[in-house]
Amino acid sequence: DQQVKQNSPSLSVQEGRISILNCDYTNSMFDYFLWYKKYPAEGPTFLISISSIKDKNEDGRFTVFLNKSAKHLSLHIVPSQPGDSAVYFCAASADSGNTPLVFGKGTRLSVIA
Amino acid sequence: DTAVSQTPKYLVTQMGNDKSIKCEQNLGHDTMYWYKQDSKKFLKIMFSYNNKELIINETVPNRFSPKSPDKAHLNLHINSLELGDSAVYFCASSQAPAGVSYNEQFFGPGTRLTVL
Repeated sequence: DQQVKQNSPSLSVQEGRISILNCDYTNSMFDYFLWYKKYPAEGPTFLISISSIKDKNEDGRFTVFLNKSAKHLSLHIVPSQPGDSAVYFCAASADSGNTPLVFGKGTRLSVIA
Repeated sequence: DTAVSQTPKYLVTQMGNDKSIKCEQNLGHDTMYWYKQDSKKFLKIMFSYNNKELIINETVPNRFSPKSPDKAHLNLHINSLELGDSAVYFCASSQAPAGVSYNEQFFGPGTRLTVL
């Protein structure tokens, strides 16, 4: 039972263009969402988060959008850089963080120079 | 400086053996976690400790026993290893306990366990 779904296993984008990574969730109790980035042979690193009281959070080149009615969030990277090539995991938590993080399977982003 | 470190990085062992994976964080965090990333790439929480006390145990077989000698260390001991235990195990830590918003977690590099 996948509560957090990242339906695109991979994505290729040209350097300088926008990367859009999508995440859907099924549990309506989720109210806090995070994106993690993972390079090979390393652990995931926290990238950006959003609480359900917001619909957008921005940090430099990274913006996360949350559509609660659609149970959908997306991560936008603008402009994309080759160093952004990694696996991106979406994660969610419920009850203001009182439940463990539930992760998606990840999307592998390749930014082509 | 490594924030969250795990040893060993790779572990190959026979079925039935007992093995341990060590984790240390130098971030001064109160909460530590163990995750398992299986062959289907799902990253699932196994345990969470806050100040050496177990706060989350996600239906993990009791062959898996976490041990926290102090809040900077959370080791994972696995008895009677089975083929299905083969996976990458990640340790993580956070400032806030799992029960408070904004628990951004810092992960170790992972330990790839292969059971033959």
